[in-house]
Amino acid sequence: NAGVTQTPKFQVLKTGQSMTLQCAQDMNHEYMSWYRQDPGMGLRLIHYSVGAGITDQGEVPNGYNVSRSTTEDFPLRLLSAAPSQTSVYFCASSPDRVYGYTFGSGTRLTVV
Amino acid sequence: GQQVMQIPQYQHVQEGEDFTTYCNSSTTLSNIQWYKQRPGGHPVFLIQLVKSGEVKKQKRLTFQFGEAKKNSSLHITATQTTDVGTYFCAAPAAGNKLTFGGGTRVLVKP
Repeated sequence: NAGVTQTPKFQVLKTGQSMTLQCAQDMNHEYMSWYRQDPGMGLRLIHYSVGAGITDQGEVPNGYNVSRSTTEDFPLRLLSAAPSQTSVYFCASSPDRVYGYTFGSGTRLTVV
Repeated sequence: GQQVMQIPQYQHVQEGEDFTTYCNSSTTLSNIQWYKQRPGGHPVFLIQLVKSGEVKKQKRLTFQFGEAKKNSSLHITATQTTDVGTYFCAAPAAGNKLTFGGGTRVLVKP
């Protein structure tokens, strides 16, 4: 099992560009979430999903979109990148809300 | 919304000493989870506590859930350099969200 796979690992964007961060898990987990972590800070929830076709907003959803067409994939779309979106983005999955989350290795995004 | 607060924010520990980090909530929690993130790495799930007053041990790590289920602690004995990293507590919030505390960053002095 590969676990949670995030691509790309590093990305530099210009202000105003759009892109999609990919997240895939092969553990058949229903719950998936996206977090961002700014330098020296904790993890803030962007969007999450409790199953295919179901998504909801977290603490900091503005500027991001998600979709969950399959159990395996949960891509995060940046609509129009801003320097404030420079961060490390983690995708995580769990079989259920009462279990711990497995995190991907992260995508380090810089917006210039 | 629900928040979990962690103290201290930073912990400098001499190798071999013990330390404790705390996680506090203003509301009663259904459960609490603990994660460790090594420098440059990703968070790794350590443990989940569910019952009031629950205590669980993992080698030198002892996790405790308060009687009122509003606080939790992580105690590490005989700190080693491998304990370096940030320890996060996390708790479920409304709508199936999992929210994280700000973390305790642990530095070990050899």
